[in-house]
Amino acid sequence: DTEVTQTPKHLVMGMTNKKSLKCEQHMGHRAMYWYKQKAKKPPELMFVYSYEKLSINESVPSRFSPECPNSSLLNLHLHALQPEDSALYLCASSQGIRGAEAFFGQGTRLTVV
Amino acid sequence: QQPVQSPQAVILREGEDAVINCSSSKALYSVHWYRQKHGEAPIFLMILLKGGEQKGHDKISASFNEKKQQSSLYLTASQLSYSGTYFCGTLPHAGNMLTFGGGTRLMVKP
Repeated sequence: DTEVTQTPKHLVMGMTNKKSLKCEQHMGHRAMYWYKQKAKKPPELMFVYSYEKLSINESVPSRFSPECPNSSLLNLHLHALQPEDSALYLCASSQGIRGAEAFFGQGTRLTVV
Repeated sequence: QQPVQSPQAVILREGEDAVINCSSSKALYSVHWYRQKHGEAPIFLMILLKGGEQKGHDKISASFNEKKQQSSLYLTASQLSYSGTYFCGTLPHAGNMLTFGGGTRLMVKP
């Protein structure tokens, strides 16, 4: 199984809502990532978990809260988002911990209204 | 620091060749190439580890010049399925995470 599965595929939320994005991998990878991607831009790293511990937070606003319940799962909790947070949110995993040779999920297309 | 990709966009006819370049201001440990189709996940194509290394994947190949801190992706006899945005990712020798270049949008027309 070489897949990274993300749910939901699409999400529309209001600025006062709380929602969560979910990601799952069964490749035994040691690192999992959240990326944000705006249209026509490269993926932008948000968070890195290595061995289930948060190792990198790229100065992401606190309205984004990551969680790694176990080595296969990664969540991103969203609260009080702004319209400019609308983007494609990608989860990825890799055996190494520096983002190389990562497998990406299909992403969640988030729209904040 | 983000690697620089060129060109930013390419339009080809089916069967034509293309080269996409990626250059970095930092000494590199490895270069990674990804392709992303519209609305889909980036797909890992290949990794180049050593200076001078070349690799191939179907009719897509790449080279890595460690001294010049550059990599090039070669698409030969392009197919419609090659359309998408190609990103290079660079990994420096020490410390930091993989950093993606700005991307090259490739469109192959019949």
